[in-house]
Amino acid sequence: ETGVTQTPRHLVMGMTNKKSLKCEQHLGHNAMYWYKQSAKKPLELMFVYSLEERVENNSVPSRFSPECPNSSHLFLHLHTLQPEDSALYLCASSQVLGMAYNEQFFGPGTRLTVL
Amino acid sequence: QKEVEQNSGPLSVPEGAIASLNCTYSDRVSQSFFWYRQYSGKSPELIMSIYSNGDKEDGRFTAQLNKASQYVSLLIRDSQPSDSATYLCAVNQDMGRRALTFGSGTRLQVQP
Repeated sequence: ETGVTQTPRHLVMGMTNKKSLKCEQHLGHNAMYWYKQSAKKPLELMFVYSLEERVENNSVPSRFSPECPNSSHLFLHLHTLQPEDSALYLCASSQVLGMAYNEQFFGPGTRLTVL
Repeated sequence: QKEVEQNSGPLSVPEGAIASLNCTYSDRVSQSFFWYRQYSGKSPELIMSIYSNGDKEDGRFTAQLNKASQYVSLLIRDSQPSDSATYLCAVNQDMGRRALTFGSGTRLQVQP
């Protein structure tokens, strides 16, 4: 595997389900990010982890719960979602937060549909 | 005022023409600037980064940065229908201590 991978690529869930999105980066990076992209809306930053520590949480509802067990893996745990949470969820990584040259590389995304 | 502003488009150009995409940003201390291409239903792909004033060329792409005017642009020469996508401008603010700030994107359509 190379770059940033995400699983599953597509997910359909009911409002009472619990599911998790997984992201893995194979770039040796130390910062990882979750973004949400809804139809015809710009990218919304959800969470930022640097060296496995959460450094930013952009007022995301508690029904989204991130987890970063190590610098290569990032999870987004989902529970009791709403239909308006249907979106493309993107994971990204960068070498390190705090550098000016902070190129971020994105995974392919998980297309989530909440029924 | 939005932190990173782009015209949403669509910007329509004929095949073989130069496409010019523009972006302005509000934070004067921003140090690095990125252009991403996003095809419909796909994730953003980094195509250019620029850190100092002036032009940076990579194949058919040229990024231009003017920090005094807080303006960054992307030129695509010899546009191809495969260039049709949404182009996102991203800015690294706060000395890199924050995640990138993205614009809402400009949709480019290259007409065959």
